[in-house]
Amino acid sequence: AQSVTQLGSHVSVSEGALVLLRCNYSSSVPPYLFWYVQYPNQGLQLLLKYTSAATLVKGINGFEAEFKKSETSFHLTKPSAHMSDAAEYFCAVSVVTYKYIFGTGTRLKVLA
Amino acid sequence: DAGVTQSPTHLIKTRGQHVTLRCSPISGHKSVSWYQQVLGQGPQFIFQYYEKEERGRGNFPDRFSARQFPNYSSELNVNALLLGDSALYLCASSLGPTGGQNTIYFGEGSWLTVV
Repeated sequence: AQSVTQLGSHVSVSEGALVLLRCNYSSSVPPYLFWYVQYPNQGLQLLLKYTSAATLVKGINGFEAEFKKSETSFHLTKPSAHMSDAAEYFCAVSVVTYKYIFGTGTRLKVLA
Repeated sequence: DAGVTQSPTHLIKTRGQHVTLRCSPISGHKSVSWYQQVLGQGPQFIFQYYEKEERGRGNFPDRFSARQFPNYSSELNVNALLLGDSALYLCASSLGPTGGQNTIYFGEGSWLTVV
């Protein structure tokens, strides 16, 4: 069975500091991995996705994530946080089935 | 192009009532999925429809049902509402069957409050 674990339900960083949001997955077959962002009272917006073409994936708004098979991880990073990055971030895994499995989310707070 | 559109955006229902939520996928998308997001949690899969056929069902009771119409729009129906059904209901569409590398695109959701 596939699953996703997001470490840290809340993360706070200072504006301009590195953002690191952690995601570990469990899958018996090569997974497809996604990061979505959800702003208050909105739906989910795709940030980036891993589909085995490259282990380092670049997404929108300066975010990127690196797939590490040996660590079963797909952590999301951004070199310099901006106030507008404050939101909830969800990691998701999908295999050749009909659904995505989402983590419980990490709420990012950016401090001025 | 319009994204995934959902209606209504907010609604309040009483326990025991029935609710219908509607979703129009992105133009050209043939797959629609429904997710429930309870406050403070990640989205949980309810249904997926592709080419008007149910392709998958999550771990939800039979009170939940859905269908997809010839124009690929979809309805989610919930009968005998319980307080625990209060959540954000998200619709997502994709070009092909959901799963694997097919990206799903979400609507803004329908906020359901059961009192």
